[in-house]
Amino acid sequence: GAVVSQHPSWVICKSGTSVKIECRSLDFQATTMFWYRQFPKQSLMLMATSNEGSKATYEQGVEKDKFLINHASLTLSTLTVTSAHPEDSSFYICSATTGSSYEQYFGPGTRLTVT
Amino acid sequence: QKEVEQNSGPLSVPEGAIASLNCTYSDRVSQSFFWYRQYSGKSPELIMSIYSNGDKEDGRFTAQLNKASQYVSLLIRDSQPSDSATYLCAVGGSGGGADGLTFGKGTHLIIQP
Repeated sequence: GAVVSQHPSWVICKSGTSVKIECRSLDFQATTMFWYRQFPKQSLMLMATSNEGSKATYEQGVEKDKFLINHASLTLSTLTVTSAHPEDSSFYICSATTGSSYEQYFGPGTRLTVT
Repeated sequence: QKEVEQNSGPLSVPEGAIASLNCTYSDRVSQSFFWYRQYSGKSPELIMSIYSNGDKEDGRFTAQLNKASQYVSLLIRDSQPSDSATYLCAVGGSGGGADGLTFGKGTHLIIQP
């Protein structure tokens, strides 16, 4: 149980274009979903927290107009990287909680490369 | 600014021995503590969660929490080569499941056959 999927698993895009990443909880309803970013040889950094039907809460230093988060249902959250630049190249990972515990279950991640 | 500190390693342990991983955190109101295992190029996998002082055992893994010292540890008994990975200590806030996690930089563990 507690399986989280992400799509796509990897994406290459040109500078200036936008990319959408989907995060789905497959066998549970996720009260809260989180988006993290991991640069090479660094740890995960929380970008934002999203609850279904509410605006996402962004961490300090994360541009909310650049990283658009939509949490349209209890099983789906999307992250759109707008006007991507090479410095946005990273490993983007979502996680979700079931609401019955504090544990977060991570998706397999999306590797974004901006050329 | 919440901080989670780990020794980056690498920590090299012979196969069959006990691997001991340590973590300290800065936010005294933290309520939840986790150990994740991350293989290169993959996302983190939950190994252990602990919420109250003391020890929690699950198979070959034991997590230890000391809130007074703001210290969390993970022991891996009978270490196997497949345990070789980066182990991430993660700390939740006072808001329970509504809080994102603060991660340490991870300890790279190498189990020598």
